[in-house]
Amino acid sequence: DQQVKQNSPSLSVQEGRISILNCDYTNSMFDYFLWYKKYPAEGPTFLISISSIKDKNEDGRFTVFLNKSAKHLSLHIVPSQPGDSAVYFCAARDAGGTSYGKLTFGQGTILTVHP
Amino acid sequence: KAGVTQTPRYLIKTRGQQVTLSCSPISGHRSVSWYQQTPGQGLQFLFEYFSETQRNKGNFPGRFSGRQFSNSRSEMNVSTLELGDSALYLCASSGGGNSYEQYFGPGTRLTVT
Repeated sequence: DQQVKQNSPSLSVQEGRISILNCDYTNSMFDYFLWYKKYPAEGPTFLISISSIKDKNEDGRFTVFLNKSAKHLSLHIVPSQPGDSAVYFCAARDAGGTSYGKLTFGQGTILTVHP
Repeated sequence: KAGVTQTPRYLIKTRGQQVTLSCSPISGHRSVSWYQQTPGQGLQFLFEYFSETQRNKGNFPGRFSGRQFSNSRSEMNVSTLELGDSALYLCASSGGGNSYEQYFGPGTRLTVT
């Protein structure tokens, strides 16, 4: 049962353009959503988060949008840079019952930004 | 502040053996979570420890176990290793309580032959 899904295994964009990474979820008990970036041979690093009571959060070049009715979130990177090339994971925190605090991750999307 | 450290970084074991991985969280962090990463599967949650107690558990067989010590350091043990256990094992720490941001270590790459 995949509660958090990233349906695009990979995304390729040109430097300077917008990168849009998507994530869908099924559990209505998630209260926070997070995006992590991972380079090879390193652990994931936290990028940006959004509370379930918000619909947008912005931090520099990174913006996360949340559509609760569609159970969908997206990460926008503008402008994209070659250094952004990495695997991006979305994650959701469970606010319900015995699973409180548990993070569930998607499968990841490989972003490649071409110079 | 030092980050999350994991030892060893690389490990090669034979099927049937057991292995213990170690994780030292960021100073002051009381929650440690463990994940398994395999190609195409993303990060699969193993378990979380908070103040020496297992707070959450994922859907892994009983061969996977863990513990946390009073200084918040955590160990993960896998017994009777199978070829399918080959993966990157990541641990992450957080402040616990209502804190939701997790900070990851570099991982331990386990290869089972």
